[in-house]
Amino acid sequence: SQKIEQNSEALNIQEGKTATLTCNYTNYSPAYLQWYRQDPGRGPVFLLLIRENEKEKRKERLKVTFDTTLKQSLFHITASQPADSATYLCALLNTGNQFYFGTGTSLTVIP
Amino acid sequence: GAVVSQHPSWVICKSGTSVKIECRSLDFQATTMFWYRQFPKQSLMLMATSNEGSKATYEQGVEKDKFLINHASLTLSTLTVTSAHPEDSSFYICSAVHSSSYEQYFGPGTRLTVT
Repeated sequence: SQKIEQNSEALNIQEGKTATLTCNYTNYSPAYLQWYRQDPGRGPVFLLLIRENEKEKRKERLKVTFDTTLKQSLFHITASQPADSATYLCALLNTGNQFYFGTGTSLTVIP
Repeated sequence: GAVVSQHPSWVICKSGTSVKIECRSLDFQATTMFWYRQFPKQSLMLMATSNEGSKATYEQGVEKDKFLINHASLTLSTLTVTSAHPEDSSFYICSAVHSSSYEQYFGPGTRLTVT
């Protein structure tokens, strides 16, 4: 069966450290993988998109990697800040042009 | 740019009534919009894919006669929850896919409470 798993439900890190979130998938052949941020009671906000033929993408303090052999994406936030505290979701766009979301990881950055 | 609006942001209705939720892409065209449902502390669950000018595609387990979707234009999709019941209470979120970039932009969500 198809499954998208994110490493843990909750992740706590100290301010200034790098947060690393994991997204693993099975039985998908995604054309794109995306990362979103969601704050409570709000819709997700798009952060980064990485295509299947790209290994790495960066945007300011964010970095995403995509390994189609391992079927895994890593999402890094460097120099983390308390304002980065939120739930982060990965999503796959499959060949049928449908998006499927992972379970989400709740990140808390401790001052 | 790339703003998606939803209306209403929250609604309370009585059991048995119908509720319509609008999703608009304000500054871009979207041939495809998605409707999601999210329960507290859970991830988004795709309900249906809405394509402009054609019938929506529903995910397994989602009743198409209960959740009516209309994608009348490249900037507007509506979801109507018919004969709502308390178990339909949830956070409904739409998204619009930018036609050229495939970046997906979400609306702010609609909190539906059925009493």
